[in-house]
Amino acid sequence: DAGITQSPRHKVTETGTPVTLRCHQTENHRYMYWYRQDPGHGLRLIHYSYGVKDTDKGEVSDGYSVSRSKTEDFLLTLESATSSQTSVYFCAISESSGNSPLHFGNGTRLTVT
Amino acid sequence: GDSVTQMEGPVTLSEEACLTINCTYTATGYPSLFWYVQYPGEGLQLLLKATKADDKGSNKGFEATYRKETTSFHLEKGSVQVSDSAVYFCALADSWGKLQFGAGTQVVVTP
Repeated sequence: DAGITQSPRHKVTETGTPVTLRCHQTENHRYMYWYRQDPGHGLRLIHYSYGVKDTDKGEVSDGYSVSRSKTEDFLLTLESATSSQTSVYFCAISESSGNSPLHFGNGTRLTVT
Repeated sequence: GDSVTQMEGPVTLSEEACLTINCTYTATGYPSLFWYVQYPGEGLQLLLKATKADDKGSNKGFEATYRKETTSFHLEKGSVQVSDSAVYFCALADSWGKLQFGAGTQVVVTP
């Protein structure tokens, strides 16, 4: 397995509370991604990073923010969680964009009540 | 924009049967194409890829050929095992290098 650790693995939170998910990699890969997985939608890109302090929005970025202060860590924050953000969140890394394969973490299951 | 469409599941078949999962795409240019597999409770893993027209990707008995004329990248395996039970995702790398995934196809193989 590529060295990717997501934390926490499971979280239950209440509507309106802030939530931060963490992705930590030991591969020194430049690119990091946050996806959400929902039935019938496959994986949808939330935000991605192409270097320290360099981030950009993906397809479903509303309600989410990210930060990358170190190569190895990529944080996803839900500023005020809503029930529509109940999902499984996956972090992925790659050496470069385009043809490089993504290596995925094992996911964080988030439930917003 | 770029998109991927794959057949809906679940696909249920017996051990040693043949598997085909259809995948078609819409894209500008000539994207790289991928199949990823997700086993229960895990993240996705790259199964195979093809980077240009007529390329054939293969791994673990699975194959897929990049067909530009039909904009397809169907996944095939001649004889499945129970251990092949998983969710399979077709994906393309769009013009900005980010992956666009299909909705996924669950495959269930029974003994």
